Amino acid sequence: NAGVTQTPKFRVLKTGQSMTLLCAQDMNHEYMYWYRQDPGMGLRLIHYSVGEGTTAKGEVPDGYNVSRLKKQNFLLGLESAAPSQTSVYFCASSRVRSRDTQYFGPGTRLTVL
Amino acid sequence: KNEVEQSPQNLTAQEGEFITINCSYSVGISALHWLQQHPGGGIVSLFMLSSGKKKHGRLIATINIQEKHSSLHITASHPRDSAVYICAVPPRMNYGGSQGNLIFGKGTKLSVKP
Repeated sequence: NAGVTQTPKFRVLKTGQSMTLLCAQDMNHEYMYWYRQDPGMGLRLIHYSVGEGTTAKGEVPDGYNVSRLKKQNFLLGLESAAPSQTSVYFCASSRVRSRDTQYFGPGTRLTVL
Repeated sequence: KNEVEQSPQNLTAQEGEFITINCSYSVGISALHWLQQHPGGGIVSLFMLSSGKKKHGRLIATINIQEKHSSLHITASHPRDSAVYICAVPPRMNYGGSQGNLIFGKGTKLSVKP
């Protein structure tokens, strides 16, 4: 099993450009999450999904959109990138709830100029 | 919101030393997670515990629910243990864990010197 994969691994954008980050998991997990990690701060939840076709806002959702059209995929979109969105983005999945182990992808390093 | 505090922020140890990393949280939880972030950036889950103690190899995690405190211990530390160790708990509004998400501490950066 590949576990949780993320594409791309690195990306550089100019302010105002758009892009989509793809997260895929092959563990048949119901729950999927997008986090961002910034220096000196803990991982912060952007959006999450509790099942196919559902999404919900996390702690820092502004400037991002998500979709979960298929159970195995969770997409994170930036419609108009801003320098404040320069960060490392992690996707994670879990079988059910917060009592279950979360499995993380390798991360995507995004720089917005 | 459930606040998570870790100490120390940075820790340097000599190979073979016994290491303790602490985590405190502000409200009741259903489970606490310890994760490890490798220097290359990858994050792996080490433990999830709701009471008592768990052991995996040289790593031991303990939790005191009444005191809202958990510790991660590493025995006979080795340079390969160098990483950032992260504590995470469910947020206050999510005590039952129904949403699945976690609140993360800022991490403890451990460096073990040979």
